[in-house]
Amino acid sequence: EIVMTQSPATLSVSPGERATLSCRASQSVSSSLAWYQQKPGQAPRLLIYGASTRATGIPARFSGSGSGTEFTLTISSLQSEDFAVYYCQQYNNWPPLTFGGGTKVEIK
Amino acid sequence: EVQLVESGGGLIQPGGSLRLSCAASGFTVSHNYMSWVRQAPGKGLEWVSVIYSGGSTYYADSVKGRFTISRDNSKNTLSLQMDSLRAEDTAVYYCARHSAAWFFDLWGRGTLVTVSS
Repeated sequence: EIVMTQSPATLSVSPGERATLSCRASQSVSSSLAWYQQKPGQAPRLLIYGASTRATGIPARFSGSGSGTEFTLTISSLQSEDFAVYYCQQYNNWPPLTFGGGTKVEIK
Repeated sequence: EVQLVESGGGLIQPGGSLRLSCAASGFTVSHNYMSWVRQAPGKGLEWVSVIYSGGSTYYADSVKGRFTISRDNSKNTLSLQMDSLRAEDTAVYYCARHSAAWFFDLWGRGTLVTVSS
């Protein structure tokens, strides 16, 4: 099973600032990495797939990078609606599909 | 509209059984890989089970032998039969559609299952 580790667990950021979230895989997942955003009481929403491709309707301030075992989600200028929990997920080698533990982006 | 709507959650005693359903609209369940993903209160996401378009099924070790995923092609629905429920199965259960590349591109809103005496 591939273990996904996200850091930090919580990120405190002021609106308008840049946020950088990390995700590490216990073995290579190539570029088979997705990022999801989840707000309280809502289902997860796909942001990024293929490590760097934005899903339909996702603003350009969200960008993904990385390959192999190290990945990054960057939010270039945080808007109020971006405060949420973000999960990475590998789909290179499954089952089982595995998610990271999440990073909560909160208002500083 | 393309959407997934789960139902069937509720309060159940340990050792009991529950059947979740997920009604799909705007696409055909049997043409896609479909999964159940759960989220315990205040915790992260945990993949539970998948059914391939060809019918093969797979389960997380935590539910293997207790849960059964299935689909009804005539009703365009996905189901999860949950037996021998435990307190640690308490969670919101989401059904989700896999894209052709296997990440999740569509999620339902979830249904809450609470296992407690």
